Amino acid sequence: NAGVTQTPKFQVLKTGQSMTLQCAQDMNHEYMSWYRQDPGMGLRLIHYSVGAGITDQGEVPNGYNVSRSTTEDFPLRLLSAAPSQTSVYFCASRRDEDSNYGYTFGSGTRLTVV
Amino acid sequence: GDSVTQMEGPVTLSEEAFLTINCTYTATGYPSLFWYVQYPGEGLQLLLKATKADDKGSNKGFEATYRKETTSFHLEKGSVQVSDSAVYFCTLSKGTGANSKLTFGKGITLSVRP
Repeated sequence: NAGVTQTPKFQVLKTGQSMTLQCAQDMNHEYMSWYRQDPGMGLRLIHYSVGAGITDQGEVPNGYNVSRSTTEDFPLRLLSAAPSQTSVYFCASRRDEDSNYGYTFGSGTRLTVV
Repeated sequence: GDSVTQMEGPVTLSEEAFLTINCTYTATGYPSLFWYVQYPGEGLQLLLKATKADDKGSNKGFEATYRKETTSFHLEKGSVQVSDSAVYFCTLSKGTGANSKLTFGKGITLSVRP
């Protein structure tokens, strides 16, 4: 089925470890983004990309890196995990040419940093 | 900056009850407004949208009308079902093309009892 695929679904890290959250979409969407969801805070934008080779920071970028080498993939890297990064992470994409078009979200990655 | 305010939750209703979830926004210009729904263990799904004043979005029995004079986008459903139990996010989108960003409310949890 077409959509946004995130892996893994669950992950436990120790403080200081690194990891990459994977996100892939097969809808040829130009715009992709990463959000974190924390209780009582809605979703906050971490990083986004408007196309291959182009990325930019969102509201809460510290501690995260991204790259966009292909239209399909937009991985999120945690270089040195901290307990404050315990959260649920969502990847989302949309067609770039229509800002009124709904976003498509992945099913999320639940990350716990101990 | 732009912001979205949702009524405090959680909300618990009996099946077939009437639902209203209040949402107000603050934004310059002409945002588009969305309601997203998150079912347990899943990512966010677009429920409905309205892109200009007085537009009414509707889907699955839910409705919301874009009221510019009161800066509101309240979600309503005449008869809720147990399957409507989820978290609901009021969201605005502003800007065009690559510059478009989403601003989320904090979300409200709806539980429907049989």
